[in-house]
Amino acid sequence: AQKVTQAQTEISVVEKEDVTLDCVYETRDTTYYLFWYKQPPSGELVFLIRRNSFDEQNEISGRYSWNFQKSTSSFNFTITASQVVDSAVYFCALSEVNSGYSTLTFGKGTMLLVSP
Amino acid sequence: KAGVTQTPRYLIKTRGQQVTLSCSPISGHRSVSWYQQTPGQGLQFLFEYFSETQRNKGNFPGRFSGRQFSNSRSEMNVSTLELGDSALYLCASSSGHSRGGTEAFFGQGTRLTVV
Repeated sequence: AQKVTQAQTEISVVEKEDVTLDCVYETRDTTYYLFWYKQPPSGELVFLIRRNSFDEQNEISGRYSWNFQKSTSSFNFTITASQVVDSAVYFCALSEVNSGYSTLTFGKGTMLLVSP
Repeated sequence: KAGVTQTPRYLIKTRGQQVTLSCSPISGHRSVSWYQQTPGQGLQFLFEYFSETQRNKGNFPGRFSGRQFSNSRSEMNVSTLELGDSALYLCASSSGHSRGGTEAFFGQGTRLTVV
């Protein structure tokens, strides 16, 4: 069965520090998708990125970057030069092609606190 | 383009009552999924509807049910409420056409408190 582990429950950093959020996943499928979502205090989950299992190319979007490594089943997320507005809970999620259409299996989330 | 709308935002119910939550997806999206979020269990998948049919279901008791209308709006119902049903219920909207990898857009959720 699929599983997503976010070992870091809470991370506290000072503004402008770089921070990496870890995500390790388990799946038996060869085709799957990985996601990162951000949940600010308002409660809405905000989509950040989607990667499929055949695309291990790392991605950078502004201050955000993602490192996908199939060999270690990891999909880590780095925020460069963190800002107070980055404070939120971040979720990593997995979707398998063969276990449903839009079913997301989430990790427990990592709460990021960025102080000024 | 309007986002995913969930109503109501907050609800307080008594044990044993039933409750209905509503979700209006993004225009053009035909898939609606529901998730329960609690501090202990995290985010858990309840069910997914596509074109008025339940396409996938999570591991929840039969007290949790849902439906989808022809305009893609969805409702979920919880009967005989228990204290443990207190949670944030999130609805996700997607096109539903790509197996496994469709980007899902979430609403702000309905915070249900059972007393």
